[in-house]
Amino acid sequence: GENVEQHPSTLSVQEGDSAVIKCTYSDSASNYFPWYKQELGKRPQLIIDIRSNVGEKKDQRIAVTLNKTAKHFSLHITETQPEDSAVYFCAAMKEGSQGNLIFGKGTKLSVKP
Amino acid sequence: DVKVTQSSRYLVKRTGEKVFLECVQDMDHENMFWYRQDPGLGLRLIYFSYDVKMKEKGDIPEGYSVSREKKERFSLILESASTNQTSMYLCASRFSGLGGNTIYFGEGSWLTVV
Repeated sequence: GENVEQHPSTLSVQEGDSAVIKCTYSDSASNYFPWYKQELGKRPQLIIDIRSNVGEKKDQRIAVTLNKTAKHFSLHITETQPEDSAVYFCAAMKEGSQGNLIFGKGTKLSVKP
Repeated sequence: DVKVTQSSRYLVKRTGEKVFLECVQDMDHENMFWYRQDPGLGLRLIYFSYDVKMKEKGDIPEGYSVSREKKERFSLILESASTNQTSMYLCASRFSGLGGNTIYFGEGSWLTVV
């Protein structure tokens, strides 16, 4: 089955700097890769996703890149702000199946003012 | 907006008690899930359900069971709670049709077993 590894487990950056979180997956059949953000005490929420027919996707300060050959994908946050502080989860799934999202273990991002 | 509601946010139960965690979604989603969240271990799938009365084991089903008698409601049951089941439990739902990849989570239920 699918296995998703996520690094680093914790990340601390200064406000305004960039943050990068990396994930690798094991199942080459996986073709859908979302990122969820969980603020303290709140539910995880989808912030961006990418499908395997696309190499990069951007939404304002957030971007995700995918390297299918290497089976890894990354979340990039530019111009970080204190409100970006949260736990971020990557996940992988084979779209269209009754399969389920397999989540990484999460990265706790702290943005220091 | 999709709404996934977990009836209990914080519970304290004694070892050996039977515990019910209830989850209701209002978007007519076919798929529903129960995850457990522990620090450093991420989100681990306990059980999921494709449709009413259907259930499948996830990665960590031991010590848990589920019930899906109605489409909107998915219950997680701890038959005999143990201290190692102290955790945060997240319910989620998803539309199973085309484009239905996004999982919507509830607010979570913090369970402490003493």
